Amino acid sequence: SYDLTQPPSVSVSPGQTATITCSGDRLENKNVCWYQQRPGRAPILVMYQDSQRPSGIPERFSGSSSGTTVTLTISGVQAEDEADYYCQSVDSSGTYRAFGGGTKLTVL
Amino acid sequence: EVQLVESGGDLVQPGGSLRLSCATSGFTFSRFSMGWVRQAEGKGLQWVANIKEDGSEKLYSDTVKGRFTISRDNAKNSVFLEMHSLGAEDTSMYYCARYNYDDYVAFDIWGQGTRVTVS
Repeated sequence: SYDLTQPPSVSVSPGQTATITCSGDRLENKNVCWYQQRPGRAPILVMYQDSQRPSGIPERFSGSSSGTTVTLTISGVQAEDEADYYCQSVDSSGTYRAFGGGTKLTVL
Repeated sequence: EVQLVESGGDLVQPGGSLRLSCATSGFTFSRFSMGWVRQAEGKGLQWVANIKEDGSEKLYSDTVKGRFTISRDNAKNSVFLEMHSLGAEDTSMYYCARYNYDDYVAFDIWGQGTRVTVS
């Protein structure tokens, strides 16, 4: 297996910036993507290859990478951004698709 | 419109078996890897299995290896998950997802899920 670590929760007020981190062994050599999951809904892809945004995802979503930590940043958080966020990568063998434990973003 | 629709989820007794199906539409199915991801109530996402475009390679998480089998029918644009020796720990919502290796190296399209309860 392959372990990715995320903080369980992040809280911000509307309009502020939310940062969600994902750390894992040798993550600097891997592609990391992020999924947003609103309550009762299926996940949607919001970031891929650390910092690339799929079409249709608002520009306030951005990603970055530094060493073994990858970060999802949401600037100017809106109420609709309240959701669980999961990072995901692949282990060194290319076999195991690992998800982080998820971070619950609360918009105060 | 790209669509993934799962079916086959049910209440099953411990030790039982179940077969999940995922019907797809709106894209060239045979060009994409596919996967299954599950989520227990109130818990996080857990990868279950992936299958390559032509079915030549199948990958499984350690927790299901030997009990679950992923397969696909490119003529019917469908992917399946055969599950055996089910236990309470397999109780989850099961999502079918398209694994887009060329563009994203990620699961870019997800179905709405089908629920499996082992009790």
